[in-house]
Order: sequence, then structure tokens, then C-alpha cells
Amino acid sequence: QSALTQPPSASGSPGQSVTISCTGTSSDIGGYNSVSWYQQHPGKAPKLLIFGVTERPSGVPDRFSGSKSGNTASLTVSGLQADDEADYYCSSSARSNNLVFGGGTKLTVL
Amino acid sequence: QVQLVESGGGVVQPGNSLRLSCAASGFTFSTYSMHWVRQAPGKGLEWVAVISYDGTNKYYADSVKGRFTISRDNSKKTLFLQMNSLRADDTALYYCARDSWLSVKYYFDYWGQGTLVTVSS
Repeated sequence: QSALTQPPSASGSPGQSVTISCTGTSSDIGGYNSVSWYQQHPGKAPKLLIFGVTERPSGVPDRFSGSKSGNTASLTVSGLQADDEADYYCSSSARSNNLVFGGGTKLTVL
Repeated sequence: QVQLVESGGGVVQPGNSLRLSCAASGFTFSTYSMHWVRQAPGKGLEWVAVISYDGTNKYYADSVKGRFTISRDNSKKTLFLQMNSLRADDTALYYCARDSWLSVKYYFDYWGQGTLVTVSS
């Protein structure tokens, strides 16, 4: 199972919005409504931001939102803050009871 | 509060074995499916394996199938990963992560801090 494709980097200024894409195939993103997004700060464990394509766990600000169209999922971070600077990973269920992650996107807040 | 604490990592020679543990607390362990996810140094996340809440269903990434075995002891609230025939590319920080109540939905709301496995001669 190949990894999902994410841009290696993204950036934005405080207060702006940034969108990170995650491209897969009909065997993963396109075939399941189970895309998730994680935020990982250096030296820390990942934190769940989005599950089920658009759902936010309690405690995650509504500045984080998810969407999906066809084989591509997206994470939008609105009102960028300094603490949003981190690595972001998408994941999706895949055929044969597998899970596949994206390669990660490093978000820089300028 | 939910806590997941991994242990058992270390330095091991290629071809040897290692057993990782993940001690759970703060929730009813026996009702949640659990996963192992790894992260090679400076690299991204890679899913390794999942086990259902009752241990009846287990699935593995192709990269570890036939070499790794996931298991759990619900009476001891502990998740395990038996790793055999270790290779250099198994070197990574291994996280245990909690999935969903009474089902497998492939998203993780709690993660441990990880245990480092280094495969080197």
C-alpha cells in the first residue's frame, strides 16, 4: 500500500488560512469516509485533529476543518497561530483492513 | 485520564527479536481496539498493526506481515508487539495508540510517548 501524497511544506502568516492537501486513490481516500488528520510538534506524540473526514474531537478548535473530494482530502487551518507550526499527517483506511498515512507536511507560520 | 506507556525498546542486532509492551490506564482497555504505529528517525508515520478489542481480529502492514505479532492481555490492560527477524529498516519510535470503542475505525484519539527500537549490528 503506497503512502498518501502530501506537499512537504506549507506556510502562512498569523491570522491567515492555509490548506494542506492529501491525495490518494480509489483504494483508500476515494473508497472510504475515514480520513483523519494529526498534528505533531517536535519530540511529541501525534494529536488527533480530524476524523471521519470532517469530525473534530472535543477540545480541537474549529479553526481546523477537513474535507474530501474524490481521491483528495484537505485540512484547512484558519486564523493561523504561532503554535500551529508543526508537522501534519493525513491517514485513510485502505483495502484489506489497512491504514495508510501521508508523508507529512511541515507547516511554517511566518 | 487516559494513559498509554510503552516499554521494551532497545538496541538489537539484525535477525533478532524484541517484544514491546504498552500499559494502558484511565479507560476500559478491554473495550477498545488498539494499534501500533511507528516513526523512523526524521521520517513520517507508518501504521504497523491493529488488534480488535477482544483480540479476535488482527491485521498487519505488508512490511511486517509474517514477522510481527500483535496481541493483548485484557486482564493486565496491556498491548504487545512481538517483533521477530528484525531488520535495519525496522528502526523507529514505536507508538501504541487507541482506536474506537468496540470497533476498528482506524483513527487514534490517544497515543503513548513511544519506545525506541534500534536495529544495528
